[in-house]
Amino acid sequence: QQQVKQSPQSLIVQKGGISIINCAYENTAFDYFPWYQQFPGKGPALLIAIRPDVSEKKEGRFTISFNKSAKQFSLHIMDSQPGDSATYFCAATVAAGNKLTFGGGTRVLVKP
Amino acid sequence: GAVVSQHPSWVICKSGTSVKIECRSLDFQATTMFWYRQFPKQSLMLMATSNEGSKATYEQGVEKDKFLINHASLTLSTLTVTSAHPEDSSFYICSASHPTRGEQYFGPGTRLTVT
Repeated sequence: QQQVKQSPQSLIVQKGGISIINCAYENTAFDYFPWYQQFPGKGPALLIAIRPDVSEKKEGRFTISFNKSAKQFSLHIMDSQPGDSATYFCAATVAAGNKLTFGGGTRVLVKP
Repeated sequence: GAVVSQHPSWVICKSGTSVKIECRSLDFQATTMFWYRQFPKQSLMLMATSNEGSKATYEQGVEKDKFLINHASLTLSTLTVTSAHPEDSSFYICSASHPTRGEQYFGPGTRLTVT
């Protein structure tokens, strides 16, 4: 059972545009939602994370929006750059430090 | 801070042999580490949770006798793939939970190819 559904599977955006990735979860016990960025042949790197008591969190060009009632959260990449081309994974866990349930991933390509 | 390393970064072994992958937290102590497997263009699949000083907890469908995990210290966990077969070829990634921050930090991964 896939507990975290991520969409779209792939995304092409022009340089300077906004990349939007959406995730939905089913387990209401999830209490911590991180996003990871992965380049080919590398391990995932933590980008930004949010807890359900906050509706939005921003770090630089990356923003997480969280809708607890809809059980959905999304990542917005503002002013997308070619260097942002990577695969992005949303994840969820019952508490930070516990095992993560990952979404299926979104391959983002930013065209110059 | 919060750096996790893996060794080796890639390994090629013959079918039937065993291979050990090391995961180290370099600048923090991790009581809990995780091992993942990732196939090309797919998401990460959790294999097991490794706790220092105790037996690993394996996810459903993961053969514990084939994928031996040892977490001998607060900075080192090892994954041994025993009697490897070509279908074990994959990208293996470990992560470690930071004791105060709570987040998981991932290693760079190990590419295993079994011929």
